[in-house]
Amino acid sequence: EAQVTQNPRYLITVTGKKLTVTCSQNMNHEYMSWYRQDPGLGLRQIYYSMNVEVTDKGDVPEGYKVSRKEKRNFPLILESPSPNQTSLYFCASSLSTGSNQPQHFGDGTRLSIL
Amino acid sequence: KNEVEQSPQNLTAQEGEFITINCSYSVGISALHWLQQHPGGGIVSLFMLSSGKKKHGRLIATINIQEKHSSLHITASHPRDSAVYICAVYDNFGGADGLTFGKGTHLIIQP
Repeated sequence: EAQVTQNPRYLITVTGKKLTVTCSQNMNHEYMSWYRQDPGLGLRQIYYSMNVEVTDKGDVPEGYKVSRKEKRNFPLILESPSPNQTSLYFCASSLSTGSNQPQHFGDGTRLSIL
Repeated sequence: KNEVEQSPQNLTAQEGEFITINCSYSVGISALHWLQQHPGGGIVSLFMLSSGKKKHGRLIATINIQEKHSSLHITASHPRDSAVYICAVYDNFGGADGLTFGKGTHLIIQP
């Protein structure tokens, strides 16, 4: 089954404790992206990747890192999480970049930083 | 960067009613996406359209590229249609490359 898998689904942690949210897709997609969703602000792009070893900042990259060492995986790293990073996070992928490609979303990761 | 506005923000209707959700954007695009977010949080792509109209079951999406406007219609609405509906456009201006989203329309269909 074609899917985007995020882990963990839920995480409560404390300020400053490094964490990684994993994202994996099994569709051989080139393009992957991370979004965060906050009440009243909607979904905003954090980072995106057009292919292996090609990553770039989205609208709200501060406090986050990503890597794309393999085509299927695109982890989101919070080196020193802070409470303002409490949010619902989505990973998404599409065959390639461009407007005519539907994006496939993971189920989301709800992060709470205390 | 594109500005995407949706209306209404919240909509409560009775089962069977015809539903319309509107989306407008500020900068010309080549395609627009409609997404559905279930109460559990997952997001599903409903439509991607660049002109005219698309239909899938009871859902119909239309777009007017000249007027920078799209609508999502639900015919014979049902409580299982209760969800947040999100409009998104593809942005690749100023170094960005990804979807810019509206804030969503929270739809509740009462039995």
